[in-house]
Amino acid sequence: RKEVEQDPGPFNVPEGATVAFNCTYSNSASQSFFWYRQDCRKEPKLLMSVYSSGNEDGRFTAQLNRASQYISLLIRDSKLSDSATYLCVVNRRTGANNLFFGTGTRLTVIP
Amino acid sequence: NAGVTQNPKFQVLKTGQSMTLQCAQDMNHNSMYWYRQDPGMGLRLIYYSASEGTTDKGEVPNGYNVSRLNKREFSLRLESAAPSQTSVYFCASIFGGGVNEQYFGPGTRLTVT
Repeated sequence: RKEVEQDPGPFNVPEGATVAFNCTYSNSASQSFFWYRQDCRKEPKLLMSVYSSGNEDGRFTAQLNRASQYISLLIRDSKLSDSATYLCVVNRRTGANNLFFGTGTRLTVIP
Repeated sequence: NAGVTQNPKFQVLKTGQSMTLQCAQDMNHNSMYWYRQDPGMGLRLIYYSASEGTTDKGEVPNGYNVSRLNKREFSLRLESAAPSQTSVYFCASIFGGGVNEQYFGPGTRLTVT
């Protein structure tokens, strides 16, 4: 079983729609969780960290469910500029070699 | 503050040729990483360096070597390139451990024919 699993999509949604992505992780000892965004032919960049209590940044809301070992990302009022691949990233514990990346979920927002 | 820089941005090699991918960061980060990204496979760790003077294998180290030249620079070497090494290579760095944001370079697109 992969350390981190995501639905690859693609998700094609109209502008203004709300879209949600889920990600599951296999190691219950995982400590830190992130969503990264990767534009086509570019490097990944941090979108937001995911905290146990859930957190929001503008139109983006991240949730963590430790019991079920999944992380979600909700995007409200989708914009054309939200089109990208969203990577779920899990850190098993502190240390240099404990980051695990999902394969990414591709989102296309359609005018 | 340039962040993480990589050179070259593009490279075409013939099978059996060697080359070194350069990476440097100016953020005083301790840990540096080399990943490859292939369609449908996500990012896979090749090698990492937790601190200056140390290097360790990641998930897919075969066919690669690395050097942590100093705190800023971490290079990846392909001694004898193979078509299976055609990929996009990303260097990344992080301050401290994995609870912090990982910063990526712009990538090197390598094609081996």
